[in-house]
Amino acid sequence: EVVLTQSPATLSLSPGERATLSCRASQRVSTYLAWYQQKPGQAPRLLIYDASNRATGVPARFSGSGSGTDFTLTISSLEPEDFAVYYCQQRSNWLTPITFGQGTRLEIK
Amino acid sequence: QLQLQESGPGLVKPSETLSLTCTVSGGSVSSSSFYWGWIRQPPGKGLEWIGSFYYIGSTYYNPSLKSRVNISVDTSKNQFSLKLRSVTAADTAVYYCVRQRGTGYGDYWGQGTLVSVSS
Repeated sequence: EVVLTQSPATLSLSPGERATLSCRASQRVSTYLAWYQQKPGQAPRLLIYDASNRATGVPARFSGSGSGTDFTLTISSLEPEDFAVYYCQQRSNWLTPITFGQGTRLEIK
Repeated sequence: QLQLQESGPGLVKPSETLSLTCTVSGGSVSSSSFYWGWIRQPPGKGLEWIGSFYYIGSTYYNPSLKSRVNISVDTSKNQFSLKLRSVTAADTAVYYCVRQRGTGYGDYWGQGTLVSVSS
């Protein structure tokens, strides 16, 4: 099973600042890495798929990068609605389990 | 617009079977372009993949749950279902049904349904 480790666990920033979230895989997952945003009481929302592709309707301030074992989600300039929990998820192949990182909580400083 | 809606009991007794159904509208569970799956989230915790299926009849399960899980599909009703046997309090979670692309990411999610395991 591929273990995803997200860092930091909590990130405290102010609106307008740049946010950088990390996701490290215990083994190579190629670019089969996705990022989700989850707000309280809501289902996760897909932001980035295949490491660097923005999902439909996702603002351009969200970007993803990385391959292999190290991935990054960047929010270029934080808006008030961006404060939420962010999860990464991998699928190396359908014969091994899909796994999620433990999440990064992005909170208002 | 694709919509997924979970339904089923919100309370299940320990050792019994949790049964949920996901009704899909605006799309087809028989589509060759997508997988359909279940993901859960215990209160205050992270996300756990339970399993997924592909229209040709292939199913994929999380090894940690495989011995207790079954996912099935009813194409006539455009629904798919989850059964989780021998539940314990550790199975208390919000259960989401999700449409997945070939590389595993979920692009459409149901709103989720909380299932509590308690006597």
